[in-house]
Amino acid sequence: AQSVAQPEDQVNVAEGNPLTVKCTYSVSGNPYLFWYVQYPNRGLQFLLKYITGDNLVKGSYGFEAEFNKSQTSFHLKKPSALVSDSALYFCALDQTGANNLFFGTGTRLTVIP
Amino acid sequence: GAGVSQSPSNKVTEKGKDVELRCDPISGHTALYWYRQRLGQGLEFLIYFQGNSAPDKSGLPSDRFSAERTGESVSTLTIQRTQQEDSAVYLCASSSLAGGADTQYFGPGTRLTVL
Repeated sequence: AQSVAQPEDQVNVAEGNPLTVKCTYSVSGNPYLFWYVQYPNRGLQFLLKYITGDNLVKGSYGFEAEFNKSQTSFHLKKPSALVSDSALYFCALDQTGANNLFFGTGTRLTVIP
Repeated sequence: GAGVSQSPSNKVTEKGKDVELRCDPISGHTALYWYRQRLGQGLEFLIYFQGNSAPDKSGLPSDRFSAERTGESVSTLTIQRTQQEDSAVYLCASSSLAGGADTQYFGPGTRLTVL
């Protein structure tokens, strides 16, 4: 069985500081991992994904994520947070042969001016 | 081309009524997915279409839920005899390939409120 965990419901960070949103996963095969962002009253927007290769993945809006197989983690990071980054962030897992994404419960990021 | 579109954006209905939600995927995308997002929760998979293959209905919560897709275009999700617990945002996504590594692109969702 596969699962995704986002251990923090809420993350607060000051504008200009680095941010991290955590994600861990469990899967029997090779994982495909995704990060999506959801702004109020809008659908999910794709940020980045890890398929294979370099463990550090760079995505939209200056975000990046590091795949760590030994720790089964895929934390989302950004060197300098913006107030406009405040949103709900979802980590998702796709497994070979599966027909859908498994989502974490989401982490609400608030960047404080 | 344009992204995934969904209609209506909001739907308020009375308990026991049927509702139809519509999704227009990105042109050329062969795979289409429906998810449900309850307030404060993550997304739950409902159903998946890939070309002319039989849909994967494993996520549908009850037989009151059904979905259709015409070829590789529009899909409709129907909820019969709606219940208050059906209140949620229903999200549609499409991708150019089936499952695996391909990115799913989401529509803005339909917010369903059952009174």
